[in-house]
Amino acid sequence: GESVGLHLPTLSVQEGDNSIINCAYSNSASDYFIWYKQESGKGPQFIIDIRSNMDKRQGQRVTVLLNKTVKHLSLQIAATQPGDSAVYFCAEYRLRADGLTFGKGTHLIIQP
Amino acid sequence: DVKVTQSSRYLVKRTGEKVFLECVQDMDHENMFWYRQDPGLGLRLIYFSYDVKMKEKGDIPEGYSVSREKKERFSLILESASTNQTSMYLCASSLGGRGYTFGSGTRLTVV
Repeated sequence: GESVGLHLPTLSVQEGDNSIINCAYSNSASDYFIWYKQESGKGPQFIIDIRSNMDKRQGQRVTVLLNKTVKHLSLQIAATQPGDSAVYFCAEYRLRADGLTFGKGTHLIIQP
Repeated sequence: DVKVTQSSRYLVKRTGEKVFLECVQDMDHENMFWYRQDPGLGLRLIYFSYDVKMKEKGDIPEGYSVSREKKERFSLILESASTNQTSMYLCASSLGGRGYTFGSGTRLTVV
């Protein structure tokens, strides 16, 4: 069946290091892949997305990489800061279905 | 600042009660969604609506219903609350496409 999943439920990194959060997907028909950040007590917030015909997209301190060969998506956060501590979700979007399917989430913990 | 507002942050209800969760958006968005979020399961779509008085079942609609009488308001209804409906409920809206805006969530506990 269709699924969007994350490899690890918790990721702990040192402040200042780079973080890499991974996501595997199974539906090749997705049109976009999206990363959301959810801080404690808040709803998910859009971080960055990537169209399915792209390999890489960069934002402010974040980079998303898409490997369609192995159906793998990653979010890289440069110079991780305490404010990056949150749960990160990947999601897939299909234009025809006009809906998002979410992965289960990775909790990013920042060590001082 | 555009917003999706969920009327309650925390709710405690008894088993068998009828529960209403309210969501209002001020962005004139066509589409509205209700998700529940559980540890280890991520976000799962309960119901969504593409227009006033229109509703579609998501992946886990059992035990829930919805109402969309006005464009800005999308209500989730638990007809007879059960303990397995204890969860975080998230409302979202979008103009169409992948740009979803989420509310802050309602944490519902059914005792």
